[in-house]
Amino acid sequence: DAKTTQPPSMDCAEGRAANLPCNHSTISGNEYVYWYRQIHSQGPQYIIHGLKNNETNEMASLIITEDRKSSTLILPHATLRDTAVYYCIVRVPPFAGGTSYGKLTFGQGTILTVHP
Amino acid sequence: DGGITQSPKYLFRKEGQNVTLSCEQNLNHDAMYWYRQDPGQGLRLIYYSQIVNDFQKGDIAEGYSVSREKKESFPLTVTSAQKNPTAFYLCASSTPSGLAGNTGELFFGEGSRLTVL
Repeated sequence: DAKTTQPPSMDCAEGRAANLPCNHSTISGNEYVYWYRQIHSQGPQYIIHGLKNNETNEMASLIITEDRKSSTLILPHATLRDTAVYYCIVRVPPFAGGTSYGKLTFGQGTILTVHP
Repeated sequence: DGGITQSPKYLFRKEGQNVTLSCEQNLNHDAMYWYRQDPGQGLRLIYYSQIVNDFQKGDIAEGYSVSREKKESFPLTVTSAQKNPTAFYLCASSTPSGLAGNTGELFFGEGSRLTVL
């Protein structure tokens, strides 16, 4: 799986958009970008994933650059409950022929702090 | 409700003792995994199992053992051979490949925090 680089920490004001960047310059053609978050002392939670098109769900939006070497997770209206560690992971999922299943490589992620 | 249940949530152990962490899922997932997390660090894979009666070592399997006798259960034993067992342990599961709607995401339990005294 390709390696990712994220800033160690970011701050965001409550109600504002939080934009979390991720670099994955060695991503290969069949690798997807996945985002998870982990609230303190809980298990990680899946947020969103994408291949090359921008994706949006009820939690967030994912913007992937045209060359796919970087992406941005956007929380449109951050709340205090969004304070967590956010992990960007690149992998080939099972539905795309990946054989690593959940053998994910979680780096240190970005600590997002949302303040009032 | 469907999900993954880990127990116990907190566990204390004396040095030299083995301890077993439980992980049960009712999501009908074939694949299950154990991760370890140390303070301020990301997750590291200990063992994973893609199907009943089969499991593979992850990146840090030394000092740990697992079994997968049932689809729903994937217990992790932290043996006395594990030099630094104090950590937060996370169990996860995922859907098998090829199913419609399979996003490839992992579902995590709430974790078990092990402290060796």
